[in-house]
Amino acid sequence: GESVGLHLPTLSVQEGDNSIINCAYSNSASDYFIWYKQESGKGPQFIIDIRSNMDKRQGQRVTVLLNKTVKHLSLQIAATQPGDSAVYFCAENRRYSTLTFGKGTMLLVSP
Amino acid sequence: KAGVTQTPRYLIKTRGQQVTLSCSPISGHRSVSWYQQTPGQGLQFLFEYFSETQRNKGNFPGRFSGRQFSNSRSEMNVSTLELGDSALYLCASSSTEWNTEAFFGQGTRLTVV
Repeated sequence: GESVGLHLPTLSVQEGDNSIINCAYSNSASDYFIWYKQESGKGPQFIIDIRSNMDKRQGQRVTVLLNKTVKHLSLQIAATQPGDSAVYFCAENRRYSTLTFGKGTMLLVSP
Repeated sequence: KAGVTQTPRYLIKTRGQQVTLSCSPISGHRSVSWYQQTPGQGLQFLFEYFSETQRNKGNFPGRFSGRQFSNSRSEMNVSTLELGDSALYLCASSSTEWNTEAFFGQGTRLTVV
């Protein structure tokens, strides 16, 4: 079956550190991957996406890496700030299908 | 550009009642998806609509239903509420048929007592 899962439920970092959040997926047919950030009391916020024909994509302070060989996705946040504290979800999608979400990783940033 | 708007933000209902939640997608977005979020189960897909047609449906009982109107606004209905239906219900909209760049609303927090 298909599944998207996260390796670490909680990640604690110091302000200014770089953070890496990991995600494993099992469906090799997935075409598209997305990272979302969810703060308490809010809906998930789109951060960055990547298509399966890419292995890296960069945004503002964030980089997503896709390793299709081992079915692994990661989100790197540079110079992590307290405002980055949230739950981060990875999600995968296939054409005309629906988003399947992982369980989420809590990122805690200490000042 | 306004984001995805969900109403109401909070609801308290009693067991056995029914409830209707509303979602207004981002202007121009034709795809609307609904998700249920609970601490134990995470984000679970309910249904997805594109141009008024239900294209995908998750593994939820028939008490959960939805529809999409010609202006892309969507509603979901839950009948005969159970305590376990207490959750955050999230709506996401996308401009593409492929659900790329899906944007979420703030959600409706439903509490069943």
